[in-house]
Amino acid sequence: DSGVTQTPKHLITATGQRVTLRCSPRSGDLSVYWYQQSLDQGLQFLIQYYNGEERAKGNILERFSAQQFPDLHSELNLSSLELGDSALYFCASSVGPDSGNTIYFGEGSWLTVV
Amino acid sequence: AQRVTQPEKLLSVFKGAPVELKCNYSYSGSPELFWYVQYSRQRLQLLLRHISRESIKGFTADLNKGETSFHLKKPFAQEEDSAMYYCALSGVGGGSNYKLTFGKGTLLTVNP
Repeated sequence: DSGVTQTPKHLITATGQRVTLRCSPRSGDLSVYWYQQSLDQGLQFLIQYYNGEERAKGNILERFSAQQFPDLHSELNLSSLELGDSALYFCASSVGPDSGNTIYFGEGSWLTVV
Repeated sequence: AQRVTQPEKLLSVFKGAPVELKCNYSYSGSPELFWYVQYSRQRLQLLLRHISRESIKGFTADLNKGETSFHLKKPFAQEEDSAMYYCALSGVGGGSNYKLTFGKGTLLTVNP
């Protein structure tokens, strides 16, 4: 067990709705990453936080936002959901902010938009 | 921009056969390269990284800067190697270079 926990594991919601995905990093890890995995796009980096601050931004839509709280857990907010947002959303964590640190992934949150 | 290409979506081999999963990258600088594996219904996990020069579960990968490749190899495939394999790249530097860029993955099936 890598120690990265994500909730919920599965979520079904309707178009236009808003959901929040939660991630708790491994104990001691300060950096949190969010990735979206879909059949057509593969694994896409969304955003990274390090010790509460946004560190790097990838292909994250404006309808999506994230934050990292003082206790280091992170939330990914997805709003005005569309069918195409259906995907597996991974959270990952690492000790530091840079590539020299191994990144550990959570089990993911399956989002289905109907 | 950094890019990772895995040309094969699917790769099927028989048990005991050699296997090579191809990965090519594009990056203007010195990247760090990784292979991640995702077994059925499990989380992504790091298989190996080029700076470690390790052999994990019999897999090895050599970074070839001239060919900008980081192919994953195993001389004798096992059925339990069946999984999705992702090649990933991370730049060295600030800002968005820290992110891992993944290839689209290769689904390896090892047949008995």
